[in-house]
Amino acid sequence: DQQVKQNSPSLSVQEGRISILNCDYTNSMFDYFLWYKKYPAEGPTFLISISSIKDKNEDGRFTVFLNKSAKHLSLHIVPSQPGDSAVYFCAARRTGNQFYFGTGTSLTVIP
Amino acid sequence: NAGVMQNPRHLVRRRGQEARLRCSPMKGHSHVYWYRQLPEEGLKFMVYLQKENIIDESGMPKERFSAEFPKEGPSILRIQQVVRGDSAAYFCASSPGTPVGTQYFGPGTRLTVL
Repeated sequence: DQQVKQNSPSLSVQEGRISILNCDYTNSMFDYFLWYKKYPAEGPTFLISISSIKDKNEDGRFTVFLNKSAKHLSLHIVPSQPGDSAVYFCAARRTGNQFYFGTGTSLTVIP
Repeated sequence: NAGVMQNPRHLVRRRGQEARLRCSPMKGHSHVYWYRQLPEEGLKFMVYLQKENIIDESGMPKERFSAEFPKEGPSILRIQQVVRGDSAAYFCASSPGTPVGTQYFGPGTRLTVL
């Protein structure tokens, strides 16, 4: 049972435009949400996170939005750069420190 | 500050052999997680350990798989009598623990079972 879902396996965006990656979850007990970026043949790299008590967190070009009522979060990257091309994983933490990951969205930023 | 280290990076085993995957967490991190990524799939949680304790192994197959994180030395994920379906990338992550929750991943071990 996939508790964290990323329904778009891939996304292409023009350089300079906004990239929006989406993630849905089913478990209301999740208290922390994270986004990771992964390049081929490397481990995921932490990007940005948000606590369930907040609805927005911003770090430079990256902003994560959380809509608890919809059980939905999104990652906005603006402006998108070719170096942002990677697979992005959404993750959620349940109390007790167990993490659930989505299946990933492959972002391609076209120069 | 060295990151999370995993070795070997690539491991080839024949069916029936044993695979031992090692993970050295970041300095100061006492929490270790193991994940498996099958082709075309996301990361699947396997096990969560703290020093000398298994905290949650609900993602581990019931047979052939075991994990440990001894007081000294790296965490070990052990797969006995490997089968072709065990071929995957295995990632280890470490965390300083609560309340941060953020995990730092190693580069992974790619296991191929012939």
